Amino acid sequence: GENVEQHPSTLSVQEGDSAVIKCTYSDSASNYFPWYKQELGKRPQLIIDIRSNVGEKKDQRIAVTLNKTAKHFSLHITETQPEDSAVYFCAASSWEYGNKLVFGAGTILRVKS
Amino acid sequence: NAGVMQNPRHLVRRRGQEARLRCSPMKGHSHVYWYRQLPEEGLKFMVYLQKENIIDESGMPKERFSAEFPKEGPSILRIQQVVRGDSAAYFCASSPREGRTDTQYFGPGTRLTVL
Repeated sequence: GENVEQHPSTLSVQEGDSAVIKCTYSDSASNYFPWYKQELGKRPQLIIDIRSNVGEKKDQRIAVTLNKTAKHFSLHITETQPEDSAVYFCAASSWEYGNKLVFGAGTILRVKS
Repeated sequence: NAGVMQNPRHLVRRRGQEARLRCSPMKGHSHVYWYRQLPEEGLKFMVYLQKENIIDESGMPKERFSAEFPKEGPSILRIQQVVRGDSAAYFCASSPREGRTDTQYFGPGTRLTVL
């Protein structure tokens, strides 16, 4: 089955700096890669996603890149703000496996003001 | 614009009791997924259901756990004879379409505490 690894486990940045979180996946059948942000005690919220027919996607300060050959994808947050502090999860899924999401272990992002 | 609804939000049970967690998907969504999040860990897939059908239960523990999504009403995750290790946040997510990869929207979760 699919296995998703996520790095780093914690990340501290200064307000205004960029943050990058990286994930690798094992199954070449995976074709959908969402990123979720989870604040303490809250639900995971989708912040951006990318499908395997696209190499990059951007939404304001957030971007995701996908390298299918290397089986890795990354989240980029620019001009970080204190409210970006949260746990970020990457995930992978495929229609072949019923679209169930396989999550990475999460990255705790702390933005220091 | 109601999102995914879950209730109860918090549930306390003593060891050996039963826990019933309910999930109402977003309007127009017919696919429901349940995930479990142990304290300070990531989310793990449990089960995928469509109306009246269990599609994939590969993530469900073999005993004490069951799930259903009846023709009418919410999806139910049932845990019999709960143990302390069942304490976790249980999230359901719904998605709209069949036969293709699609976005899953999460509910607020049910936080189960087993005393």
